[in-house]
Amino acid sequence: EAGVAQSPRYKIIEKRQSVAFWCNPISGHATLYWYQQILGQGPKLLIQFQNNGVVDDSQLPKDRFSAERLKGVDSTLKIQPAKLEDSAVYLCASSPSGVLNTEAFFGQGTRLTVV
Amino acid sequence: GESVGLHLPTLSVQEGDNSIINCAYSNSASDYFIWYKQESGKGPQFIIDIRSNMDKRQGQRVTVLLNKTVKHLSLQIAATQPGDSAVYFCAENNNNNDMRFGAGTRLTVKP
Repeated sequence: EAGVAQSPRYKIIEKRQSVAFWCNPISGHATLYWYQQILGQGPKLLIQFQNNGVVDDSQLPKDRFSAERLKGVDSTLKIQPAKLEDSAVYLCASSPSGVLNTEAFFGQGTRLTVV
Repeated sequence: GESVGLHLPTLSVQEGDNSIINCAYSNSASDYFIWYKQESGKGPQFIIDIRSNMDKRQGQRVTVLLNKTVKHLSLQIAATQPGDSAVYFCAENNNNNDMRFGAGTRLTVKP
């Protein structure tokens, strides 16, 4: 079974530029998460989708971050404009459909450096 | 706000010894807990989970203990090996599959 795919693996941009990350979850997984992991910290949930609907985006900085999952499969996370403090690894994860209380499967992440 | 946290940010053990990593949580509504292992440059990898109706669960060389009275979770690794060196996170989950992570503990295994 293929895992969660993320791209790109690395991205370096200047502050005030925009950037987008892509995630393809495991086939059939209805729940998709985006996490931000700053160096030395645990992953922080940014947004959670159930199919193409948002379940929780309370920690998403909506003035600059946006995410979509239009067809309920793959997802994109965008930052516009980027700030220095957005430097982090952005992790995508997915969980099986219709199953509560199950572990999430993570991609390798996209390491963003804002200079 | 309510959060998941860890007592020790770093833990160093000798190869072959047992390791214990602790985690405190404060959300009494959480009913599912997961331990993840994260190696450098990789995403978190599932190790073991436990539901709130249990107080102990064992896997291969790993045991998770849950004490709901004091909202405490621990991960025990038996006969720790160099390959166990990584950062370990506990995560709590509620009925919305809303999964929140603690800060993590870095485990270093000395040969």
